[in-house]
Amino acid sequence: DQQVKQNSPSLSVQEGRISILNCDYTNSMFDYFLWYKKYPAEGPTFLISISSIKDKNEDGRFTVFLNKSAKHLSLHIVPSQPGDSAVYFCAAAGGSGTYKYIFGTGTRLKVLA
Amino acid sequence: NAGVMQNPRHLVRRRGQEARLRCSPMKGHSHVYWYRQLPEEGLKFMVYLQKENIIDESGMPKERFSAEFPKEGPSILRIQQVVRGDSAAYFCASSPGQGRETQYFGPGTRLLVL
Repeated sequence: DQQVKQNSPSLSVQEGRISILNCDYTNSMFDYFLWYKKYPAEGPTFLISISSIKDKNEDGRFTVFLNKSAKHLSLHIVPSQPGDSAVYFCAAAGGSGTYKYIFGTGTRLKVLA
Repeated sequence: NAGVMQNPRHLVRRRGQEARLRCSPMKGHSHVYWYRQLPEEGLKFMVYLQKENIIDESGMPKERFSAEFPKEGPSILRIQQVVRGDSAAYFCASSPGQGRETQYFGPGTRLLVL
C-alpha cells in the first residue's frame, strides 16, 4: 500500500525554466510534508517542508504547495539550474507516527543546459 | 563537518555473515532513525531510537535485525546471518527532538551480500 506516490519517475527541464515535481498521498492523518534531494551515492538532503496549516512555503528558488483537499503537494524550482539534477523524494508524516517519514519512490530531475 | 556520519560507506558480506552499520548523529541531536532503500524504491522506516531506548522498531524485520543507541558511542544497526535480500542502502537520520523536527540524513551504507 503506497501511501505516498510520485507518479513521474523522471522529468527533463531546460535550464532557466520552472521544474514542477508532484506528489500525492492517501493518508488523511499526514500533516507534515518534506522534500529531499538526493545525488547518487549520497544521502537525502533536506530541501523544504510544509505543515498542513499552510498551503505554501517558499525558500529561495524552492516553493512547496499543499492542496489538502486533493491530497497533493508539489515542489516548484525556479529558475532550474543544472546542479538541480538529482532524484527528488517527497515524504509525509503525521498521526501517532510523526517521526516515521513515509517516502515516495522519487522523481529523477534532469536540467538541460 | 557536524553532519550525520555513517560508516562504513560500503560493506560486502557473504551470506550467513554479520553486518554492523554505525551512525553518529549530528551534534546536539539525540534522536536517531534508520531507513532502508531497496533499488528503485523510496526509503522505508526501520527503527527510531533515543539514547539507550528503542522507541519504535515497527519497521524492522522480526528476525536477524537489531538496533541500539548506547549512552556512549554511535548507534549500531546489526544484521545477523545476512541474505542476498538484505542488499540495500541503509540510511541513518538524526533530529534534535521528535515531532515536527526535521530529520537530517547521513551518506548511507551500501550493503552488498554475495
